[in-house]
Amino acid sequence: EVKLVESGGGLVQPGRSLKLSCAASGFSFNDYWMGWVRQAPGKGLEWIGEINQDSSTINYTPSLKDKFTISRDNAQNTLYLQMSKLGSEDTAIYYCARDYGAWGQGVMVTVSS
Amino acid sequence: DIVMTQSPSSLAVSAGETVTINCKSSQSLLYSGNQKNYLAWYQQKPGQSPKLLIYWASTRQSGVPDRFIGSGSGTDFTLTISSVQAEDLAIYYCQQYYDTPYTFGAGTKLELK
Repeated sequence: EVKLVESGGGLVQPGRSLKLSCAASGFSFNDYWMGWVRQAPGKGLEWIGEINQDSSTINYTPSLKDKFTISRDNAQNTLYLQMSKLGSEDTAIYYCARDYGAWGQGVMVTVSS
Repeated sequence: DIVMTQSPSSLAVSAGETVTINCKSSQSLLYSGNQKNYLAWYQQKPGQSPKLLIYWASTRQSGVPDRFIGSGSGTDFTLTISSVQAEDLAIYYCQQYYDTPYTFGAGTKLELK
């Protein structure tokens, strides 16, 4: 069974950093593109970016490129999202996805003082 | 960025009805090299992560009931749900994956009349 489990969310102060993880199981992790999508409370879906199998190609939505960094560890079957300079506009549920056909349950990030 | 425009934003239906959700892209999603439209549809129920329904504009994901039908090409796409059931009440999103950033439509909320 394909399983994606996000972790690392929580309450963070404005201007601080946070690193999310997505643990993958049930499939050959290093065979797939992986991505991150977020959803602010009561709002629609926003694509953050994606990373290819060997991390040689990473694409971001332009408005987040200077704040967010996507990486992966194929040995640990884990996808990461490093977020910096967080603001209230970054408050959202963050989802990881495999080829967009499988999604995690999401992790909540709240940016507030 | 490619802008995805969905209509209507909400739709009230009775069980058994057929509904149509529209999605228009600001540029063609048809790649001439393979004649495929880079358009996906997702369903999101309250409190759940998105679920992929349709990819390549008209290919149903494994396990998706055949009452969900995707159609269209170029810039105009449609998701048709025939004989709507109570379990279909959700928000539906289209997404283009023709070019990064992979943008989503704002969503269409399907409600019970």
